[in-house]
Amino acid sequence: LAKTTQPISMDSYEGQEVNITCSHNNIATNDYITWYQQFPSQGPRFIIQGYKTKVTNEVASLFIPADRKSSTLSLPRVSLSDTAVYYCLVVGSSTLGRLYFGRGTQLTVWP
Amino acid sequence: SQTIHQWPATLVQPVGSPLSLECTVEGTSNPNLYWYRQAAGRGLQLLFYSVGIGQISSEVPQNLSASRPQDRQFILSSKKLLLSDSGFYLCAWGSEGVSYEQYFGPGTRLTVT
Repeated sequence: LAKTTQPISMDSYEGQEVNITCSHNNIATNDYITWYQQFPSQGPRFIIQGYKTKVTNEVASLFIPADRKSSTLSLPRVSLSDTAVYYCLVVGSSTLGRLYFGRGTQLTVWP
Repeated sequence: SQTIHQWPATLVQPVGSPLSLECTVEGTSNPNLYWYRQAAGRGLQLLFYSVGIGQISSEVPQNLSASRPQDRQFILSSKKLLLSDSGFYLCAWGSEGVSYEQYFGPGTRLTVT
């Protein structure tokens, strides 16, 4: 089971780009990197998933280097409503598809 | 479209009392179903998962149990609650097979007194 490490907290201001980096040194060949967002008193919400290089959707971008030992979630031009906990997860053959959430990164966006 | 329901939304129970939390999913068939618990200030802990009716896998030893009597119904139970059972309980579903993307319900806030 690949362990993930990410910062406990980050601060940003409205309109800035935020990059949250996650390390997963023991990622297996068949594993994917997945990010979730959680607001207080709500369940997590899927944001983005990738295997290598770059993935972009309407919410975020995910950058994964060739060695796949880390990944970076990029949130463009954050707003106050992006204040949440962001979880990096490794999912795949090593986890049998199950999600194992760590402590996540508390992102606080200030006006 | 798919929806997931959980009830009750909040619950206050005394130590030693039984527990039953229910989760139902609509708009999909043969989903994988999951129960998670989030203690205050902590990440989510996977408790149980099910790939089909009557098929339950437990992730951690505890005084909780789960059952799946119907394809889209998942129940979390306890015979005697402990103080440490307090937390935010979330049910989630994913598509059949390896579910990279899971969809979470609104959750139940359980306080054991």
